[in-house]
This record gives sequence, C-alpha cells and structure tokens, in this order.
Amino acid sequence: GAGVSQSPSNKVTEKGKDVELRCDPISGHTALYWYRQSLGQGLEFLIYFQGNSAPDKSGLPSDRFSAERTGGSVSTLTIQRTQQEDSAVYLCASREEEGTQYFGPGTRLLVL
Amino acid sequence: KNEVEQSPQNLTAQEGEFITINCSYSVGISALHWLQQHPGGGIVSLFMLSSGKKKHGRLIATINIQEKHSSLHITASHPRDSAVYICAAGSNYKLTFGKGTLLTVNP
Repeated sequence: GAGVSQSPSNKVTEKGKDVELRCDPISGHTALYWYRQSLGQGLEFLIYFQGNSAPDKSGLPSDRFSAERTGGSVSTLTIQRTQQEDSAVYLCASREEEGTQYFGPGTRLLVL
Repeated sequence: KNEVEQSPQNLTAQEGEFITINCSYSVGISALHWLQQHPGGGIVSLFMLSSGKKKHGRLIATINIQEKHSSLHITASHPRDSAVYICAAGSNYKLTFGKGTLLTVNP
C-alpha cells in the first residue's frame, strides 16, 4: 500500500502569512507524529497524535503552531503569522500500535 | 549537552570498509531507532531496538542498555550507503534525535 504522503512538497510564503501543511498517514496507523528539520539542525519533535488526541504538544515552538487530526487519519499542521525562522522541512511519520515509524517525504517551507 | 550524542559527525570510507557509527543517550528509553536520510531524500527507518542486536543485510545495530550506548555497523560498505545516519532515542511516542552522522563511501 501507499506510504505516508505529505502536501505540498514545497511551499514558499511571505513572512506574516499563515500556512497549512497536510499529512496522510498509512491507512490503519493510529499514531502520527510531526517533526521539524531546520537547515544544519537535527530533527525536532513537534507533536504526537494517538488517534485524534494529542497527548503531547510540548514540542510546538510557539502558540503560532497548531495541529489537528480528524477521523484518526489526515493531520494538518498550521503555522500562523509565519516567521523566517519557521523555514525548515516539516516531516510527518505514522506507525501502528507498536513498531517502527514510517516517514513521509516532508514539506520544505521557505518563509521570505 | 545534547541528550543524544552521535559520533563521528562526519565519516569518509573506502568501498568495502567496515563502518561503525556510535550513539550515546542520556534520556530514558523504551526503544532506540536508527534512521537513514539520503541527500534530498526522505527518511527511512533502519532499526528499532530495545535490547541486544538486530541485523538486516549488511547492517547491524546493537544496544547496551546499561551503558546507554548503541552502535550501527555497516559491513562491506558501498557508495550507495552514503547518507546521513540518525540515532533517535525515547519512548514510543516521543523521540529525541542525534544530529546525525554524514557517511561518504568512495568507490
């Protein structure tokens, strides 16, 4: 079956605009994760969903960041009033109850 | 100090050499992951382990829980193994990542 997909693959936006990033996990995967990889930096945990609930939002960098998941499937990560430091690759991953995480290809966000 | 430390940061090898990448962690874990990221490419999970050793093809991952240390070995390295290898440690739902090891295997 299909892997984790993300859209858009690339996004260029102006500072101050809102952006929405989408993640389609592997069908049947209950857990979903968002990560960020900034240039020259390692991967950074943002948020985790178990079903539609997000028990851990501690990784979200500021209140401009929010995420939701509906129907235990698709998730969107929204960044409001984008700043240049938000430029990064945003990665989504999903997994079954136990087991390895499967990563999507990422969305490359550039804030001008 | 990062909670997950990898060494070396960069590694250059000749084709056929045996490669070892190390990972030390200070966080409590239920599992440790090794990931591979090719330039411009996505991330692939290589191993998830909580004890002992796992092998997949030419790749071997080991973990010592008492010493909080894991190693990734590549036998008979090949140029296609060139990538960034990332160690990640944590619970089932929250991982802390190392900064990665850039491996270049020359023909």
